[in-house]
Parts: sequence; C-alpha cells; structure tokens
Amino acid sequence: EPEVTQTPSHQVTQMGQEVILRCVPISNHLYFYWYRQILGQKVEFLVSFYNNEISEKSEIFDDQFSVERPDGSNFTLKIRSTKLEDSAMYFCASGTGEYQPQHFGDGTRLSIL
Amino acid sequence: KNEVEQSPQNLTAQEGEFITINCSYSVGISALHWLQQHPGGGIVSLFMLSSGKKKHGRLIATINIQEKHSSLHITASHPRDSAVYICAVSWGSGGGADGLTFGKGTHLIIQP
Repeated sequence: EPEVTQTPSHQVTQMGQEVILRCVPISNHLYFYWYRQILGQKVEFLVSFYNNEISEKSEIFDDQFSVERPDGSNFTLKIRSTKLEDSAMYFCASGTGEYQPQHFGDGTRLSIL
Repeated sequence: KNEVEQSPQNLTAQEGEFITINCSYSVGISALHWLQQHPGGGIVSLFMLSSGKKKHGRLIATINIQEKHSSLHITASHPRDSAVYICAVSWGSGGGADGLTFGKGTHLIIQP
C-alpha cells in the first residue's frame, strides 16, 4: 500500500540554524499538509498546500516557516533561524481532496539544542 | 474558538472489554476523523465521517451532527489496541485543503 515517507526520522540542529524537513507524499495525491506535535501536547496544523501554492496556514506558520514542492514528488518544510521551542515531531500528510482521509507519514523528530 | 474535546483522557481496560471513546466539538464541521497514534509516534487514519456510522473490523465510529458528538467503539478489545486515539475535525472553510483541528487524544491501555 502506498505511504507517505518522511526524512530524516530524527534531526538535531543548533539553535539559529536552518533546517529542511522532507516528505514524499503518495503519488496521486493533490493536497499536502504539515503538522507538528510538541512533546506531550496535541497535534497542531501548520499549513496546507494545493496546486503549487499555500491554501491555508495557521497562526503558528509565520515568516520563519516556508513550504515548497521543488519537483513532482517532494514536499519540504523549511524552518529558518530555529528556536528551542521549534523542537517537536513534524508530520507530513497528503490526501486526494475534501471528504477524504489524510494519510500521515511517520514524522520527523526535530531537536533544537 | 473552535475546540475539540475528548473523553476520557486515559482509559485502562481488560482484554475483551467493550471500549468507548467520546469526542465533542463546538461548531459545525465538514468531517470528523478518528486516528490512532502508536508509541513510536506514527499516525494512522482509522475513519473519516460526515454522518452516520462506519465499521471496520472491531472498530465502529458514529457521529451525531445535531449533538456535535462522535464516539469510537472497540469491540473485543485486545492488548494490540493499546495506543492513543485522536479525534480531529475539519471545519470546512477550504475544501480539501482544510487543516485538521485535533483533540488531545485518549490514551488507551488494554491489559491481558
């Protein structure tokens, strides 16, 4: 069964550095999402992406964050000038549209030192 | 503010018991999702509902739109069902691009 894959599984970065989290969505999906989960807290929506542009973003998704679909398969989340509070599990998801389930990757655990 | 509330937060039961997890939300939604998160962190979609009831194996999900309430039931529970069960909703403002709003999850432990 097709699945969403995320790399790396764990990323350790110094505060202030830039980090890029990578995702390969399921190939025929059109909608892409990033979520994050701070340890011990609930999952939070960051951004959705459709037709090569951001469709919706939460208040968390400020100028520090950006997303890109650089080619036909990858979907990336870039975090500039990382802060300690960016430490979290970041999940990528993809889907085929409204009233359809979202399929999640296994997540990237980001640790900011 | 649009909120998703789950109960109970923690549930420990014996193998074979019938399990019910509840979810309520504050305003109208376009769809409600039940998801499962295992200790390793990965999230699996179990159900997506906009009305009525769905069944998959030993799992049953129901939703009452008028009461803004959904339940997830597990019949004949098994230790392998131990996980965090999460309710999430989409509010329907952006079609398929709607991000999900998550509840805090119910941590379920099934003891042998």
